Amino acid sequence: NAGVMQNPRHLVRRRGQEARLRCSPMKGHSHVYWYRQLPEEGLKFMVYLQKENIIDESGMPKERFSAEFPKEGPSILRIQQVVRGDSAAYFCASSPGWVSYNEQFFGPGTRLTVL
Amino acid sequence: GQQLNQNPQSMFIQEGEDVSMNCTSSSIFNTWLWYKQDPGEGPVLLIALYKAGELTSNGRLTAQFGITRKDSFLNISASIPSDVGIYFCAGANTGNQFYFGTGTSLTVIP
Repeated sequence: NAGVMQNPRHLVRRRGQEARLRCSPMKGHSHVYWYRQLPEEGLKFMVYLQKENIIDESGMPKERFSAEFPKEGPSILRIQQVVRGDSAAYFCASSPGWVSYNEQFFGPGTRLTVL
Repeated sequence: GQQLNQNPQSMFIQEGEDVSMNCTSSSIFNTWLWYKQDPGEGPVLLIALYKAGELTSNGRLTAQFGITRKDSFLNISASIPSDVGIYFCAGANTGNQFYFGTGTSLTVIP
């Protein structure tokens, strides 16, 4: 039973380019979460999605960042016109979504470096 | 947003020693999770707690959900070198948004 998968594991972009990060949740999980982690810091919540719905995007920057979780395929975190400050590790987690069982399982992360 | 403070920020211990760390919140939580993160990897879930006062073990790890629901504790007994890593607590109210602590970095000296 595969865990949460993220790709790419490492992504290098120049300032102004777009970054697309993909996350495939664990089998049977319908809820996806994206977090950002800066070096030596904890995880900061960005967005929580269910299939075709954004449930909570209170942690997402208002500009340049967007996320989707389509009916088919992985969840995508998209960063437009990247800047150096976007360099970080981006982690995706998934959960079954049942209120009484909402443990989140993390993927290995995508490390974004903006040159 | 919610503030979760973890103590201590870092620990250096001898192999075989026991480890204690805690996490405190400014708000009440209904769920507490503890994760371990190795360098370059994603956090791995260690223990989940769902009820105030609950004490749960996973091998040499034991975690407790504080009675006030504003804190949680993680203990590691008889530490070994592979316990090295960063330990994060995470708390949630209703719904599925978790708030993560700042982490406790553990170094085990053989």
